[in-house]
Amino acid sequence: DAGVIQSPRHEVTEMGQEVTLRCKPISGHNSLFWYRQTMMRGLELLIYFNNNVPIDDSGMPEDRFSAKMPNASFSTLKIQPSEPRDSAVYFCASSTQTSGGVNEQFFGPGTRLTVL
Amino acid sequence: AQSVTQLGSHVSVSEGALVLLRCNYSSSVPPYLFWYVQYPNQGLQLLLKYTSAATLVKGINGFEAEFKKSETSFHLTKPSAHMSDAAEYFCASYNQGGKLIFGQGTELSVKP
Repeated sequence: DAGVIQSPRHEVTEMGQEVTLRCKPISGHNSLFWYRQTMMRGLELLIYFNNNVPIDDSGMPEDRFSAKMPNASFSTLKIQPSEPRDSAVYFCASSTQTSGGVNEQFFGPGTRLTVL
Repeated sequence: AQSVTQLGSHVSVSEGALVLLRCNYSSSVPPYLFWYVQYPNQGLQLLLKYTSAATLVKGINGFEAEFKKSETSFHLTKPSAHMSDAAEYFCASYNQGGKLIFGQGTELSVKP
């Protein structure tokens, strides 16, 4: 299996521009997670989906952030408009979630976003 | 609220020395606990997990961790550090809402 795939790996944009980050989870996984990692705040869960449905988006910092999962094999995280404080590494992770079971999350390589 | 605390944001050991990375959790129910490793410019990779079976859990790369309920701890150890172990290590706990709660991370440096 190719693992969790994220694109782009690096993104440099200017303040005010729209940014779209993409994620392809591992085939067969039914849960998908978006995280943000910064030096100051560490790893933060932004949102997660189960069976393509957003379950918890309490970590999404502002209305400028939105995430979608139109099907089981694709998700996007969009920032519009972007700001310099959004600069971070964004990780996507996927797992299989079953009732009563806890399975590991598999992380993608991340997208390093720089907003100038 | 459930939380995970990693003691020491940076640990430095000599090659061949014991590695000990500390993690304490707070949970009102038996937790599921994980240790992840992050190498530079990479995503997180699972080292090991505790899911209420054996209290001593063995993971990859010679790491192991012991769940101690009385101390609410899940410290990570490796008998002999290798240069390739230099990375950032994260302890995490699953909460009942299905979310992983991560500690702040401990950066491990290994001196030759």
